[in-house]
Amino acid sequence: DTAVSQTPKYLVTQMGNDKSIKCEQNLGHDTMYWYKQDSKKFLKIMFSYNNKELIINETVPNRFSPKSPDKAHLNLHINSLELGDSAVYFCASSHWASGTTDTQYFGPGTRLTVL
Amino acid sequence: GQQLNQSPQSMFIQEGEDVSMNCTSSSIFNTWLWYKQDPGEGPVLLIALYKAGELTSNGRLTAQFGTTRKDSFLNISASIPSDVGIYFCAGSLTGTASKLTFGTGTRLQVML
Repeated sequence: DTAVSQTPKYLVTQMGNDKSIKCEQNLGHDTMYWYKQDSKKFLKIMFSYNNKELIINETVPNRFSPKSPDKAHLNLHINSLELGDSAVYFCASSHWASGTTDTQYFGPGTRLTVL
Repeated sequence: GQQLNQSPQSMFIQEGEDVSMNCTSSSIFNTWLWYKQDPGEGPVLLIALYKAGELTSNGRLTAQFGTTRKDSFLNISASIPSDVGIYFCAGSLTGTASKLTFGTGTRLQVML
């Protein structure tokens, strides 16, 4: 059974296009995240939603807009794609109780290549 | 943003050898996590540490939460080929909405 799933697995697109990546978790978690992993494998958090409410918003260009239709889904829409957006994007989820850290479970990643 | 420094950056070891890696931070954390990432996959949690000085094992893996709260260590005993991958530490502070700061990673390769 897939716990955190992402689609698509691979995404190749031209500069300037708009694209979306979808994420779903079936763990019953209330918090979801988007991370970006660059070519040097550095993992950096971008956004986090708790119960559909944005709670973490790192310094990310406003071309990136997360959307959480419900607790089990967190999608990432990217406008006007740039070459520097090429990376692997990971979705993750966890259960957040009173602001304490709980273990985060990651999806398989979406490799985005901007040409 | 802050990044945790991991060492070594990469290592080649013989099958059966023990492995040690560490993670250091300029600021304190009150939770340390160790993840492993296989090629083409997302990070998978190995061990979670919640208390300074805590020593926790998971099979052949043992991790410690440094007493200064600024570092953590991971040991792998009797390495096997499937231990190959990138190992990441991650730190978090309670009250920061589960925000994890990840380390730079240690790439482990096992020679048969």
